[in-house]
Amino acid sequence: DQQVKQNSPSLSVQEGRISILNCDYTNSMFDYFLWYKKYPAEGPTFLISISSIKDKNEDGRFTVFLNKSAKHLSLHIVPSQPGDSAVYFCAASAGNNFNKFYFGSGTKLNVKP
Amino acid sequence: DARVTQTPRHKVTEMGQEVTMRCQPILGHNTVFWYRQTMMQGLELLAYFRNRAPLDDSGMPKDRFSAEMPDATLATLKIQPSEPRDSAVYFCASGLLQPGQGAGAGELFFGEGSRLTVL
Repeated sequence: DQQVKQNSPSLSVQEGRISILNCDYTNSMFDYFLWYKKYPAEGPTFLISISSIKDKNEDGRFTVFLNKSAKHLSLHIVPSQPGDSAVYFCAASAGNNFNKFYFGSGTKLNVKP
Repeated sequence: DARVTQTPRHKVTEMGQEVTMRCQPILGHNTVFWYRQTMMQGLELLAYFRNRAPLDDSGMPKDRFSAEMPDATLATLKIQPSEPRDSAVYFCASGLLQPGQGAGAGELFFGEGSRLTVL
């Protein structure tokens, strides 16, 4: 039973437009959320995180929004660039569970030039 | 340049053979994870160590998989006997994580993965 779900396997966006990747979770004990980016033949790399005490965290072109009541988070990329084309994984952990990290199934983003 | 190192990068073997994957976590990190990437499940947690002690291996098929940390610089994942359904990319990740602190709990650093093909 997946506790972190990414229901969109893929997303295609035009360069310069906004990319919105979504993630839902079921465990209300999760208090730390992360996004990872993965290129082919490489390991995932950390992109941005947010703790449950916040509802928004911004880092350059990347912004993560957290809606705790809906158990939903999203990653916004503005403006999208072709180099952003990758698989994006959402992850969550609960501090009281020794930081066990659960990952979603990933969303493949394609940014078209 | 600190990084998580995994070996082998690629492994092709026949069903029934033993497979051992190795991981060198980043020096000083106290937590090591093993994940398996599949098309359907994404990144599936297999095992998890803190300060070399196994905390959770509930994601592993117990009859054929085993994970150990013989010392702080080496984590191993062994499959015996291997089966075609084990074919996947296996990732090791390490982090410096503090228990009970969700906020700013830190991040995981992943290796490049070991691609396993069992024929």
